[in-house]
Amino acid sequence: NAGVTQTPKFRVLKTGQSMTLLCAQDMNHEYMYWYRQDPGMGLRLIHYSVGEGTTAKGEVPDGYNVSRLKKQNFLLGLESAAPSQTSVYFCASSHLGTKNTEAFFGQGTRLTVV
Amino acid sequence: GQQVMQIPQYQHVQEGEDFTTYCNSSTTLSNIQWYKQRPGGHPVFLIQLVKSGEVKKQKRLTFQFGEAKKNSSLHITATQTTDVGTYFCAGPPRGNKLVFGAGTILRVKS
Repeated sequence: NAGVTQTPKFRVLKTGQSMTLLCAQDMNHEYMYWYRQDPGMGLRLIHYSVGEGTTAKGEVPDGYNVSRLKKQNFLLGLESAAPSQTSVYFCASSHLGTKNTEAFFGQGTRLTVV
Repeated sequence: GQQVMQIPQYQHVQEGEDFTTYCNSSTTLSNIQWYKQRPGGHPVFLIQLVKSGEVKKQKRLTFQFGEAKKNSSLHITATQTTDVGTYFCAGPPRGNKLVFGAGTILRVKS
């Protein structure tokens, strides 16, 4: 049982380049999230999804797009990378509801934009 | 929008001392969750509190949820070096987003 898998684990981009981060979960979770983590800033929500085909903006959505074409996958896209997007990105997933909704996290993607 | 504030930002304790981190929300939370992130790792779920005034214990860790469901605390008794890491609270308001506090970094001197 893999849980939540993120690819890639590391990436270096040049300013203006684009890339897609992939998150896959095998727990049949309804909710999926993308967070970025910067020193002293905690985990900030970029975008989230409450089900296949639906996405919504979080706290810091600018410069990112997402898609959830399949329930198990949640993609995070950077169309034109900027140095301010240098961060560690975490994907998470959880069940719907108010109980037993613990979030499971992937191992993270360390992205550097130069 | 909904915010979850966490204090202190950082605490450095001597091994054996107690540690407490506090979490406050600007809105009522349906539940509150606590996570631990070891250095270089990813957040791992510790516990979820749902009921007003709820108190739960996990060995040396005690978690509380406030009566108004707007605040929570995590207390560690007699810290050990294995407790090192960042502790986050997270809460979904009436809605779907899981919003995290900024976290409290705990360092333990042996």
